[in-house]
Formats: sequence, C-alpha cells, structure tokens
Amino acid sequence: AQTVTQSQPEMSVQEAETVTLSCTYDTSESDYYLFWYKQPPSRQMILVIRQEAYKQQNATENRFSVNFQKAAKSFSLKISDSQLGDAAMYFCAYRGGANSKLTFGKGITLSVRP
Amino acid sequence: DVKVTQSSRYLVKRTGEKVFLECVQDMDHENMFWYRQDPGLGLRLIYFSYDVKMKEKGDIPEGYSVSREKKERFSLILESASTNQTSMYLCASSPATRTFYGYTFGSGTRLTVV
Repeated sequence: AQTVTQSQPEMSVQEAETVTLSCTYDTSESDYYLFWYKQPPSRQMILVIRQEAYKQQNATENRFSVNFQKAAKSFSLKISDSQLGDAAMYFCAYRGGANSKLTFGKGITLSVRP
Repeated sequence: DVKVTQSSRYLVKRTGEKVFLECVQDMDHENMFWYRQDPGLGLRLIYFSYDVKMKEKGDIPEGYSVSREKKERFSLILESASTNQTSMYLCASSPATRTFYGYTFGSGTRLTVV
C-alpha cells in the first residue's frame, strides 16, 4: 500500500521569507500524481499544486513550487515570500496511476510570524 | 465553479443515535469520497463511490455505511454513533477523466458524539 509521510508536525516562517515543507512517499508504481493541499482555519481544502510523475520538470504556481525527486520519492513544497495568509495546515497527497483515491500525509501546521 | 456542499457545518449527536451526513456536488462528477480528519492522523478514507449505487470500502469503514442513490448525492451513515466517531468529516468529488486534477472538497462537518 502507498504511504505518504510528513515528518514535521509544525513549522514557522517569518513573513517574506522562504519555507520548505517536506514530504516523502512510498510506491512501487511508475505512473502517479502528487499534490499539496492547503487547509486554512476556514477548513476548506484548497489545491496548491499538482505534479505528474512522468514530468521531470518541477511544478510551479506563483510563489509555490515543488522539488520533485522521483528516485528519492521526495516531494517538497517551497513557499517563497511567505504571507500571513499562507498560515494553514498543509497536506501532501498521492494518487496511483488508474486509481482515483488520494492517500494523504498527516499534515503540517505552518505559522507565519509578522 | 465546482461546488461540494455538506449539509451541516457542526453537528452534536448522542451515543447510539443514527447519524446521516449529506454531501451534494453540482458538477456531474462520477467519483465521490468520504474522509475523516483527526489531529495527528491526517485524512483517512472511509468509503468511496465511482457511480450511482456503487460503493467501496476505504481504509476505515468500520461503524459506517454509505448511500448513493443519485449521482450528485453521497451520504455517510453512522448506524449507531459512538464517541470515537467524534471527528471532522470531509466529502470530496472528482470526475472520472483520464487525467486526474485532484479532488474538490466540501467545507467539512465537525461531528461531536456525546
């Protein structure tokens, strides 16, 4: 079974600084998707970024980018120029090839210091 | 915009009660999912459905059942609520397309069983 590991339960970053959230996963598949979701205090889960495993290029969405290391099974999220609105819980998630189910990590709580 | 609506934001029920959590999506998605979210455990899949009247067990189905009589509605049923079912419940949906873009989530139901 696939597993997703987020080993850090909490992180803190100074406003305008850069922070990296780590995620590792375990799979025997070669075709899969990886995601980062954000859950602010409102509880609404928001898709931050998505990566297809066959694409070597790291995905980028404005201030959010990933470092996808397929051989190491690592998928970290970098948030540049952190803003107060980035404070939330962040979940890393995996989906195998033909499967529609997402497997989530335990999440990390990010706080942003003004 | 795709919308996934969960009928209750907060719910308090007594031990032994039969509880219905309702989820409705308005974008004709084939796939629907129920997760529960607990601190330190992340999101865990309870049940999912790929089509009307179809259902499959997720990772933690014990104590739960589901119903999908119409494509847009996916109900989670707690046959006899227990205190260990106090949790946040998240509904999600996704289309059955070849390329997977992730889930759209509802805003969650926080259930307290007393």
